[in-house]
Order: sequence, then C-alpha cells, then structure tokens
Amino acid sequence: KAGVTQTPRYLIKTRGQQVTLSCSPISGHRSVSWYQQTPGQGLQFLFEYFSETQRNKGNFPGRFSGRQFSNSRSEMNVSTLELGDSALYLCASRAGTGGLAGSREQFFGPGTRLTVL
Amino acid sequence: LAKTTQPISMDSYEGQEVNITCSHNNIATNDYITWYQQFPSQGPRFIIQGYKTKVTNEVASLFIPADRKSSTLSLPRVSLSDTAVYYCLVGESSNNDMRFGAGTRLTVKP
Repeated sequence: KAGVTQTPRYLIKTRGQQVTLSCSPISGHRSVSWYQQTPGQGLQFLFEYFSETQRNKGNFPGRFSGRQFSNSRSEMNVSTLELGDSALYLCASRAGTGGLAGSREQFFGPGTRLTVL
Repeated sequence: LAKTTQPISMDSYEGQEVNITCSHNNIATNDYITWYQQFPSQGPRFIIQGYKTKVTNEVASLFIPADRKSSTLSLPRVSLSDTAVYYCLVGESSNNDMRFGAGTRLTVKP
C-alpha cells in the first residue's frame, strides 16, 4: 500500500505570496491532519479533516486554511506569507473514525519544506 | 490536554537498552499515551501506544505505572539507526487535537 504523499517536497516563496500544499492520504484513509514543524516551535497541529469537514483546528491565524476533497485528498493554503511561515509542513492520514490523540493509525508523509524569503 | 515533559536529549551506545521517561501529571482518565519517532527531514512514525501497565511490540516496550502520571519508552539494544527524536503524546481517544512536545533527541554512538 502506498504511503502518504505530499507535493511539492520543496517550495520557495516570497513574503506576501500565497501557497497551496497538497496531500494524498493512504488509500482508504478518510482523515487527514496537517502539522507545522519549525526548529523553534517544534511540531504544531494545524487542523484535521474528515469526510471533507474540518473536525478540529489548532491555534493558527486565519491565513492558514485547508480543505478536503471527496477522494480524501487534502490541500492546505497559506495566504500572505510571512518569514515565520518557513517550516516543514507535514500531512498525516488515518483510517479510523475515532479521535486523533488516541488513535494508533496515524501515518505521516515526508513533508513539504517551505522557505519564505 | 495533559502537558508532557521529557528530557531534551539523551546519549547512548550501540547495544545498550535506552529508557526515555515522559511525565504527564495531569493525565485524564480517558487519555492514551503514544510515542512517535522522527528522523531528520521525515515525518514522525508511530512506535507504540498504551493505556496502563505494559505494552510490548517488535520495536519497543512501554511501561506505565498504576498512577499513569509518567510512562517509560524502552528501546532494547539500540543501534546507530535509532538516533532520532522521540515524542511522547497524551490525549483522549475522542480528542482530535494532537499536541507534540519538544521531544527527546536520542543520539546513539558506536
């Protein structure tokens, strides 16, 4: 079974631009979560989508948004990029309908490394 | 959400057993304890999950005392390839917010 794939793997943008990242979950997985990882803040939860609905959201500004399609693929968008948005953005998928924290089924992709200049 | 506290870093040598302890004093009744491993430039990988007592799989063991205020991840006979950051997470099965702490950077030396 293919793992979680994320595209693109690397991206360079300038301040003020917007960016869209894509995530394809493992086949059959209906839940997709997004995380931001930086050296200073570590791994931070952005949001989770399940069956095209956002189920939970972390503490990030409205510039960060996402969506999920009927085939469970998900996109994450960041508008008006700031230097501090430079990070590794990770996507994770899981199959279960239960909550995220207690699930053992979460699988992470390789991430998209975003650099904002 | 229960906050977790882990050592920032640990060093070990090949072939040794490594124990990483995580403190979670405010763990709730419905919370599970989950450990992830992350290599540089990769996403975290699930290692093990438990609720109480001891859980063992082909990779590691997880020891949870009766009061559940801490847990210990045990890696038997580590190798150089076990050098990674290990994260302890505590959360409820119905809670969709997954909070990673700073993690423990384990360095295995030859």
